[in-house]
Amino acid sequence: QVQLQESGPGLVRPSQTLSLTCTVSGGSISSGGYYWSWIRQHPGKGLEWIGYVYFSGSTQYNPSLKSRLTMSIDTSKNHFSLRLYSVTAADTAVYYCARGSAIGLNNWFDPWGQGTLVTVSS
Amino acid sequence: DIQMTQSPSSLSASVGDRVTITCRASQSISIYLNWYQQKPGKAPKLLIFAASSLQSGVPSRFSGSGSGTDFTLTINSLQPEDFAIYHCQQSYTMPYTFGQGTKLEIK
Repeated sequence: QVQLQESGPGLVRPSQTLSLTCTVSGGSISSGGYYWSWIRQHPGKGLEWIGYVYFSGSTQYNPSLKSRLTMSIDTSKNHFSLRLYSVTAADTAVYYCARGSAIGLNNWFDPWGQGTLVTVSS
Repeated sequence: DIQMTQSPSSLSASVGDRVTITCRASQSISIYLNWYQQKPGKAPKLLIFAASSLQSGVPSRFSGSGSGTDFTLTINSLQPEDFAIYHCQQSYTMPYTFGQGTKLEIK
């Protein structure tokens, strides 16, 4: 059974870079057909799709974050990563990693990591 | 971006009730609609994909329907563990977007 686990700092200073890693266990991240994704949830709010990275390294990002975002994948370590640059308080959220699956245009997320709260504050 | 609007935003019901949650898209999304359940302090869990396909392991009291712009999630015979927040998500076009969530509370 595939499991995902986020890791990274819980506190980031404004204007700095938020860096998170998602480690995948119980399956290979190199398996084709999955889209290794990041999703965030602002406190008390709905969910926001950030983007995904494919095993080949190709990426798709939410245009609202694209200029500040880099995602990467390390198949040797079975993990993928997120870097969000020049953060502000508006980036304070719980960040989830998830495995995306697709049939045709339908793309859903399952399973998810437990989530990690990142607070942007000085 | 495609806007997803859920109604109601919150709902009170009793164990054994049948409830329906609605999700409306700002444009047609065919059947590219998924439903998730989220309990306090936990990650969302996939319930339904492609509008009406039940994810493996999800109880059959959950069902989904709809196409185009209007979708529903129905829970028959509510159980105590069903009280949670429910989210819809479209994947017709990027950026993928979610509804604001519907909080299902115990009456």
